[in-house]
Amino acid sequence: GQNIDQPTEMTATEGAIVQINCTYQTSGFNGLFWYQQHAGEAPTFLSYNVLDGLEEKGRFSSFLSRSKGYSYLLLKELQMKDSASYLCAVPSEGGYNKLIFGAGTRLAVHP
Amino acid sequence: GAGVSQSPRYKVAKRGQDVALRCDPISGHVSLFWYQQALGQGPEFLTYFQNEAQLDKSGLPSDRFFAERPEGSVSTLKIQRTQQEDSAVYLCASSFAGGAFFGQGTRLTVV
Repeated sequence: GQNIDQPTEMTATEGAIVQINCTYQTSGFNGLFWYQQHAGEAPTFLSYNVLDGLEEKGRFSSFLSRSKGYSYLLLKELQMKDSASYLCAVPSEGGYNKLIFGAGTRLAVHP
Repeated sequence: GAGVSQSPRYKVAKRGQDVALRCDPISGHVSLFWYQQALGQGPEFLTYFQNEAQLDKSGLPSDRFFAERPEGSVSTLKIQRTQQEDSAVYLCASSFAGGAFFGQGTRLTVV
């Protein structure tokens, strides 16, 4: 089966850096997604990692280690608008990108 | 429109009532997914369509749930004889290849 774990809640200060971790167990690996979801809104795509290493995209970066079943999302220069839930997800077996999501990490950014 | 559109945004149903939730995917997207998201949780897969074919309905929680996509574009998720445990946000997502684009969801409250 597949299982995804991520912290339930995190808090951080505006301007700081925060790292949101995700560990996963999957029988076959087809990449890992990060989504951002503001309250009452649609999840929006942030990143997709399929190879080991760090991928940087502006203030957001995502890291993957396939051997450790581990990923993190790094948010720099935090802004109040970054307060949201961050969802880690992996595609299931089947070849059509049915996503298995973690419960999400609710990030609160304080002034 | 440019994104995935869902209607209604909010639906209040009396227990036992039937409801129908609509999803307009991004034009040309072959794949369409329905997810259920309980409060404070990540989305959970319900069903998947490739064009008009429903290829996976393993996530539908009971035979009260039914989905269709007769012409390979708009999809409807129908819930018969709603119960309180059906209260959740129902998300639709479409994709052409790779990551999914989500609609804002329909928040269903069964009273």
